[in-house]
Amino acid sequence: GENVEQHPSTLSVQEGDSAVIKCTYSDSASNYFPWYKQELGKRPQLIIDIRSNVGEKKDQRIAVTLNKTAKHFSLHITETQPEDSAVYFCAASNWSNDYKLSFGAGTTVTVRA
Amino acid sequence: DTAVSQTPKYLVTQMGNDKSIKCEQNLGHDTMYWYKQDSKKFLKIMFSYNNKELIINETVPNRFSPKSPDKAHLNLHINSLELGDSAVYFCASSARYGSSEQYFGPGTRLTVT
Repeated sequence: GENVEQHPSTLSVQEGDSAVIKCTYSDSASNYFPWYKQELGKRPQLIIDIRSNVGEKKDQRIAVTLNKTAKHFSLHITETQPEDSAVYFCAASNWSNDYKLSFGAGTTVTVRA
Repeated sequence: DTAVSQTPKYLVTQMGNDKSIKCEQNLGHDTMYWYKQDSKKFLKIMFSYNNKELIINETVPNRFSPKSPDKAHLNLHINSLELGDSAVYFCASSARYGSSEQYFGPGTRLTVT
């Protein structure tokens, strides 16, 4: 089955700086890569996703890049704000097969004011 | 107007007991899921139902039995609770099998003493 590794496990950044979270996946058939944000005590929520036919996608201050050859994808948050503090999860799925999301272990991001 | 709701929010019970968690979605979605989030925040799929039919059944002890009386409901019954079952259980739904975004419920924090 799919194995997703996520780094770093914790990340502390100064407000206004950028944050980068990296994930690798094992199944070359995976073709869908969402990112979820989970604030403390809350539910995970989708913030951005990318499919394997696209190398990069951007939505305001967040962007995701995908390198299919190397089997890794990354989340970039620019101009971080205190409300960006949360746990971020990457996930991978073979969206042509079983649609099962395999999640990374999560990255706890703390934005220092 | 809650999209995905779960009851109860908190559940404290003793080892050996049987308990149920209920999930309802009012989004008109076809597919529903149960996830377990352990103390290290790791999110893992347990089950998925599409139109009341079981489509994903991970290697979960058979003490866990999901039941979907209709498309809008997916309940989770757990027999003979063990200490290791303590976790947050999230229900989620997506528009259809293969639809990308999953909407998570607020979670049920289960504590087994």
